[in-house]
Amino acid sequence: AQTVTQSQPEMSVQEAETVTLSCTYDTSESDYYLFWYKQPPSRQMILVIRQEAYKQQNATENRFSVNFQKAAKSFSLKISDSQLGDAAMYFCASLGGGADGLTFGKGTHLIIQP
Amino acid sequence: DAGITQSPRYKITETGRQVTLMCHQTWSHSYMFWYRQDLGHGLRLIYYSAAADITDKGEVPDGYVVSRSKTENFPLTLESATRSQTSVYFCASRGSTGRYGYTFGSGTRLTVV
Repeated sequence: AQTVTQSQPEMSVQEAETVTLSCTYDTSESDYYLFWYKQPPSRQMILVIRQEAYKQQNATENRFSVNFQKAAKSFSLKISDSQLGDAAMYFCASLGGGADGLTFGKGTHLIIQP
Repeated sequence: DAGITQSPRYKITETGRQVTLMCHQTWSHSYMFWYRQDLGHGLRLIYYSAAADITDKGEVPDGYVVSRSKTENFPLTLESATRSQTSVYFCASRGSTGRYGYTFGSGTRLTVV
């Protein structure tokens, strides 16, 4: 079984600054994938960024990047130049090689201060 | 439009009633999933399906029934709704590998009174 832990229930950042959301995971799989999803007030689940565990290079998507530390089982999300539209719940998730579903953390509520 | 559609978006039902939440996808994805989202718990897997006529339990299956007679549809039924089943329900799908993530529907907010 996989577990995902997000230790920050809520984070706050000033607009235009950088914020890092933490995530740790536990898995016995050798091949797995990690994801960050954003859930704005509209409730829609939006994929922000993904990382394949066998790749050492950290994934980057525009202002979003990850710090993937495989040995430490850590997968943090960095948001640069924070914008008001980044305000949302952020969920870290892992997927192993089986047919069952994504395992999610409990989420971090990100507040952007204007 | 292509995508994954859930209906209804909101539903209020009474304790003990049967209610069915619908999920339809146009991606021809083989895998489909039902999650519930509750404060303090994130999203938890209820049931999943690897193909038509193949379903399996997730983390919190009690009180729910699923079927998948067609690849594109994956309805979730609460046979006798309880207040503890008040939640937001998400349907999701993915292709043969999950490497590109899952596609989610817009969710159904269910209130059991």
